[in-house]
Amino acid sequence: RKEVEQDPGPFNVPEGATVAFNCTYSNSASQSFFWYRQDCRKEPKLLMSVYSSGNEDGRFTAQLNRASQYISLLIRDSKLSDSATYLCVVRFNDYKLSFGAGTTVTVRA
Amino acid sequence: ETGVTQSPTHLIKTRGQQVTLRCSSQSGHNTVSWYQQALGQGPQFIFQYYREEENGRGNFPPRFSGLQFPNYSSELNVNALELDDSALYLCASSLGSSGYTFGSGTRLTVV
Repeated sequence: RKEVEQDPGPFNVPEGATVAFNCTYSNSASQSFFWYRQDCRKEPKLLMSVYSSGNEDGRFTAQLNRASQYISLLIRDSKLSDSATYLCVVRFNDYKLSFGAGTTVTVRA
Repeated sequence: ETGVTQSPTHLIKTRGQQVTLRCSSQSGHNTVSWYQQALGQGPQFIFQYYREEENGRGNFPPRFSGLQFPNYSSELNVNALELDDSALYLCASSLGSSGYTFGSGTRLTVV
């Protein structure tokens, strides 16, 4: 079983729409959770950390459900610039980030 | 504040050859991690160096090895290259286990 699993998409949405997707992780001892964004052929960049109480950063909302071991990301009022691959990332020790394979989002005009 | 820089940006090697990839960590960071990202996949952890010692390793064979230097820069060496080693190799620096910053990667093609 993969450590982090994501719906690969693609999610194709119009500008202004809301899009949401999840990931699940296998290790219940996981300590930290993140969403990274990766543009085509570029490096991953931290979008936001995910906290147990849920958190928002502008149009982005992340939720963590430790009991069910899943993490979600919601994007409101989608912009063309939100088109990217979103990587779910989990850390359960001090030296390794475990990445999902990514969810592709395409926002169309 | 300089970011993480990797060299070279692209590289083509022949199966069986050896390759060395380089990474300069972000100013103030003492930890460097290396990841391999195959096409269509998420990055996979190779290993991490902290204060010049390897302190964690993923499921990669011994022909993947590394070094960290006193200035915290790092090298990834891969011996006996195989076709499946073709990937984007990412270096990430951090201060301990927080604040990972990725370099733009080295795209390795093995033919």
